Amino acid sequence: SAVISQKPSRDICQRGTSLTIQCQVDSQVTMMFWYRQQPGQSLTLIATANQGSEATYESGFVIDKFPISRPNLTFSTLTVSNMSPEDSSIYLCSVADPANTGELFFGEGSRLTVL
Amino acid sequence: AQSVTQLGSHVSVSEGALVLLRCNYSSSVPPYLFWYVQYPNQGLQLLLKYTSAATLVKGINGFEAEFKKSETSFHLTKPSAHMSDAAEYFCAVSRPGGGFKTIFGAGTRLFVKA
Repeated sequence: SAVISQKPSRDICQRGTSLTIQCQVDSQVTMMFWYRQQPGQSLTLIATANQGSEATYESGFVIDKFPISRPNLTFSTLTVSNMSPEDSSIYLCSVADPANTGELFFGEGSRLTVL
Repeated sequence: AQSVTQLGSHVSVSEGALVLLRCNYSSSVPPYLFWYVQYPNQGLQLLLKYTSAATLVKGINGFEAEFKKSETSFHLTKPSAHMSDAAEYFCAVSRPGGGFKTIFGAGTRLFVKA
C-alpha cells in the first residue's frame, strides 16, 4: 500500500491567481496521477506525472493551465494557473499500487474554491 | 476505449436491506474492474477489485461484486445495509498493461435510512 499526503487540504483563491498543490508519498512509486473532481461529479484524469520528464496530459488538459512537476519517485506538484471559478474542484493525487495490482491509492484531496 | 456506466446517481435503502449498485462497462480487452468508496471530505479507498481471477469478488465491509462478461456488468452488493455505508461509490475500469490509467463512472450516492 501507499500513504499519500496532500497540501493544502483546502484553500480559497482569487480569480487570476495560481495555486500549487503538493503530493507526498511514503514510498517510491512509478505511476502517479492527478485527478479533478468537480462538485457533485466523478473523477476526471488530468495527467500522469512522469518522474524526470514532462507529464502526459489527457484530452482537454494542457500544461500551461496545469503544470506538473515530478522531481523524484515520492513527490509531485500540480499547479492550477490563472484560476477562474470554473476551476473550483477537488484535486486528487493518486498512485498505482507498487505491487502492480491495478489498485490506485488516493490522497484526501485538495478542495479549491475560486472566487 | 474503455468506459463505465453506473445506473442511478442516488440509491436509498433502509438499514438492514439489500444494497445493489449497478455498473456496466465497455472494454475492447478483458478489463480490470474496481469499486471505490468515498466518504465525505475524504479521498477514495478500494472496496474490491476484479483482475481476471474468481468472478465473484469479496471486498471490505461485507461488500461483494460479480463479474459477468456476458452482461458486461460488475454490480456491487451487500446483504444488509448499515448506516455507516452511506457514501459515494464509484465503479472504475482499467486496462491490464495500460499504464494503470483508470476510468471512473459517474458515481452513485448511497443513502441509508434508519
